[in-house]
Amino acid sequence: DTGVSQDPRHKITKRGQNVTFRCDPISEHNRLYWYRQTLGQGPEFLTYFQNEAQLEKSRLLSDRFSAERPKGSFSTLEIQRTEQGDSAMYLCASSAVLSGRTDTQYFGPGTRLTVL
Amino acid sequence: ILNVEQSPQSLHVQEGDSTNFTCSFPSSNFYALHWYRWETAKSPEALFVMTLNGDEKKKGRISATLNTKEGYSYLYIKGSQPEDSATYLCASSNSGYALNFGKGTSLLVTP
Repeated sequence: DTGVSQDPRHKITKRGQNVTFRCDPISEHNRLYWYRQTLGQGPEFLTYFQNEAQLEKSRLLSDRFSAERPKGSFSTLEIQRTEQGDSAMYLCASSAVLSGRTDTQYFGPGTRLTVL
Repeated sequence: ILNVEQSPQSLHVQEGDSTNFTCSFPSSNFYALHWYRWETAKSPEALFVMTLNGDEKKKGRISATLNTKEGYSYLYIKGSQPEDSATYLCASSNSGYALNFGKGTSLLVTP
């Protein structure tokens, strides 16, 4: 069983550019989550999907952030017009929701974004 | 937003020492408590998920307890080994989906 994968692992971009990150969850996991970790802080929840439906997006940091999961498998997180404050580690996780059980979220290795 | 606190911020122990960390969280609307181990350049590794007051979980030399009434969880490592060196994160949830993480405890075990 392969784990959650993320691509790229590192991204350096200039302020004002758009960036897109990809997350491939564990196969057959129906939930997919995005988190952001800034220096010295714990990961911060951004959004999540159940299958292809984005069920919570109010905690995306601004309207420059958007996420998609078009076929209920992989997901992309896009940041438009990047700012230096967007520099962080972006983590993806997936889980299998089973009736009556609390699901474990399995994390990928993250994409480290540096905005110059 | 829940405020999860972890202590100590960092810890340095000798191989063979036993150690423990604390995670405190608001006890209202509690749903679940998660512990992760995160080594540099790797994915965070899920250790435990606990939901019931008094829960105790064990995985090898690592164990955890949960007190939902007072809002704390302890993680114990018995006989620490250098390979236990990592950051240990706890996260609480009151929604069933969003995890609210503490800042972590950084553990260094030296031979």
